[in-house]
Amino acid sequence: GENVEQHPSTLSVQEGDSAVIKCTYSDSASNYFPWYKQELGKRPQLIIDIRSNVGEKKDQRIAVTLNKTAKHFSLHITETQPEDSAVYFCAASKASGGYQKVTFGTGTKLQVIP
Amino acid sequence: DGGITQSPKYLFRKEGQNVTLSCEQNLNHDAMYWYRQDPGQGLRLIYYSQIVNDFQKGDIAEGYSVSREKKESFPLTVTSAQKNPTAFYLCASSRLAGVFDNEQFFGPGTRLTVL
Repeated sequence: GENVEQHPSTLSVQEGDSAVIKCTYSDSASNYFPWYKQELGKRPQLIIDIRSNVGEKKDQRIAVTLNKTAKHFSLHITETQPEDSAVYFCAASKASGGYQKVTFGTGTKLQVIP
Repeated sequence: DGGITQSPKYLFRKEGQNVTLSCEQNLNHDAMYWYRQDPGQGLRLIYYSQIVNDFQKGDIAEGYSVSREKKESFPLTVTSAQKNPTAFYLCASSRLAGVFDNEQFFGPGTRLTVL
């Protein structure tokens, strides 16, 4: 089955600096890579995603890159703000047996220091 | 107010008891999922359902059971056979079954503690 590894598990940055979270996956059949943000005590919410036919996607201060050959993808947050503090999960998804099989990484706790 | 709801928010159970967690969605989504969240382990899939009266085991189904009698409801029962049930449980739904790139919408979660 799919295995998604996520690093680092914790990350502290100064406000205004950039943050990068990296994930690797094992199943070459995975073709959709969402990122979810979970604020303390709240539900995970999708913040950005990328499909396997795209190498990079950007949405304001956040961007995701995908290297299919190396099977890794990364989340980049620029100009970090205190409200970016949360746990971030990467995931790899594919259609399997008629359903969407999503495998999550173990999460990165990002702390933005004012 | 559209969305996905879970109840209760907190649940305490004595060892040996079964307990049922509620999950309801009014998004008209076909697919529903149950995940378990433990510190440092991300989200692990327990059960999923693509359609009414059909559901499949996920990666960690032992000690759990589900039903899908209505499209909008997908309750999870944690049985006494689950050896370590204390965890945060998240329900999710997605619009279409069998599509690889659906966004998953999560409920607020239920924190289960076994005393």
